Amino acid sequence: GNSVTQMEGPVTLSEEAFLTINCTYTATGYPSLFWYVQYPGEGLQLLLKATKADDKGSNKGFEATYRKETTSFHLEKGSVQVSDSAVYFCALTAPPRNTPLVFGKGTRLSVIA
Amino acid sequence: DAMVIQNPRYQVTQFGKPVTLSCSQTLNHNVMYWYQQKSSQAPKLLFHYYDKDFNNEADTPDNFQSRRPNTSFCFLDIRSPGLGDAAMYLCATSPGTGSTDTQYFGPGTRLTVL
Repeated sequence: GNSVTQMEGPVTLSEEAFLTINCTYTATGYPSLFWYVQYPGEGLQLLLKATKADDKGSNKGFEATYRKETTSFHLEKGSVQVSDSAVYFCALTAPPRNTPLVFGKGTRLSVIA
Repeated sequence: DAMVIQNPRYQVTQFGKPVTLSCSQTLNHNVMYWYQQKSSQAPKLLFHYYDKDFNNEADTPDNFQSRRPNTSFCFLDIRSPGLGDAAMYLCATSPGTGSTDTQYFGPGTRLTVL
C-alpha cells in the first residue's frame, strides 16, 4: 500500500539555521507529493507540492524536490525564523485510489531566537 | 478570498449528546472531506463527498454521519459522542479526486467531550 515516512521530531533549531525534514514514500503508480504545515491550534495549510518526478515545489523560502530514484521529497529551508515553528506533514496521493491523502506522522519544528 | 470555513472553532458537548459541526466553502469545489485529528497524530479521513456521492472509509465508526445539502456546505454529525471522540475535526475541499488535485483545509473545529 501507499505510505509516507518522515523523520521523527521534535526538531529544535536556532533562528537562521538550515532546515531539512526528511520524507520518503512508498506508492503504486506515480504519486503527487505535498507538504502541509499546521501552526498551533490551526488547520493544515498547503505549503508546497510536486506532481511529477524532478519537479521542485517552493513557497515562503521552503523547497522540496520530487526524487523518484530515491522516493523522497525532503523539505528544506535555508534560514528558519521563529514564525516557522509548526508541525510539518508530508503527504501523497496516488493511484489507483487518489483519496485519501496519505500523511506522514508529522514533524514538530521549534525555532528559538 | 476563496476559502474553507468551519464553525464553530471550539465546541464542547456532553458525553452522549449529539453534536453537529459545519463546514462551508467558497471555492466551488466538487469534493468535500472530513478528517479527525487526535493530539500529536496525523489527520485521519472519515469520509468524503464527491458532489452528492457519499464515500465512507471502511473504519469510520457508525457514530459519525455526514450531510451535504448543497455544493457549499457539509456537516459532520456525531450521534453519541464518547470521550474518545474528542479531537480536532478538519474539513477540506478539492476540485476533484485526481492525483494532482490539491486538498484545501479549513481551520478546524476542536471538539471537547465532557
